[in-house]
Amino acid sequence: DIQLTQSPSFLSASVGDRVTITCRASQGISIDLAWYQQKPGKAPKLLVYAASTLQSGVPSRFSGSGAGTEFTLTISSLQPEDFATYYCQQLNSYPRTFGPGTKVDI
Amino acid sequence: QVQLQQWGAGLLKPSETLSLTCAVKGGPFSDYYWIWIRQPPGKGLEWIGDISYGETTNYNPTLKSRVTISTDTSKNQFSLKLTSVTAADTAVYYCARAPKGLAGRFDYWGQGTQVTVSS
Repeated sequence: DIQLTQSPSFLSASVGDRVTITCRASQGISIDLAWYQQKPGKAPKLLVYAASTLQSGVPSRFSGSGAGTEFTLTISSLQPEDFATYYCQQLNSYPRTFGPGTKVDI
Repeated sequence: QVQLQQWGAGLLKPSETLSLTCAVKGGPFSDYYWIWIRQPPGKGLEWIGDISYGETTNYNPTLKSRVTISTDTSKNQFSLKLTSVTAADTAVYYCARAPKGLAGRFDYWGQGTQVTVSS
């Protein structure tokens, strides 16, 4: 199975901050990586897929980059509604796996 | 607008069978993978398995012996059965959709169903 690690696991930030979350895969996964945002009590929401493609309707302050084993999700200017937990996911091979999550808090 | 609406029993006793159904509204049923994911309380996301329109299934090896995912194409629905549940199966269960082809992603999700296993 492909293991995903995320760093940091917890991030304290302020409105307007630039935030970067890193996801590392245990083996190369090309660009088969997606990012999700989850708020308490809600289903995850797709933000980015194919490592850098922004899902329709997602604000442009979100961006993704990377390929192979190292990926990043960047929020250029953190907004109040962005405080949530963020997960990366690999779709290169089965079983599909998720990273452990990064909680972005005030 | 695509919507996934899910339902099923929320309280089970150990050894019973978990059964959930997800209805797909507002979109086609073919050309997609239909997926189940779960999230134990306070923990991360775990992929359970998926099924394609052609009935090909893929399961998480950790659950494979107990899981069945099936479709009812006449109703645009798909279902999850998990046998012999224990307290470790307590989680919020989500259904989701993934387009086939390149650029995989889970683009639509159900609202989630809390399933609790307790004697």
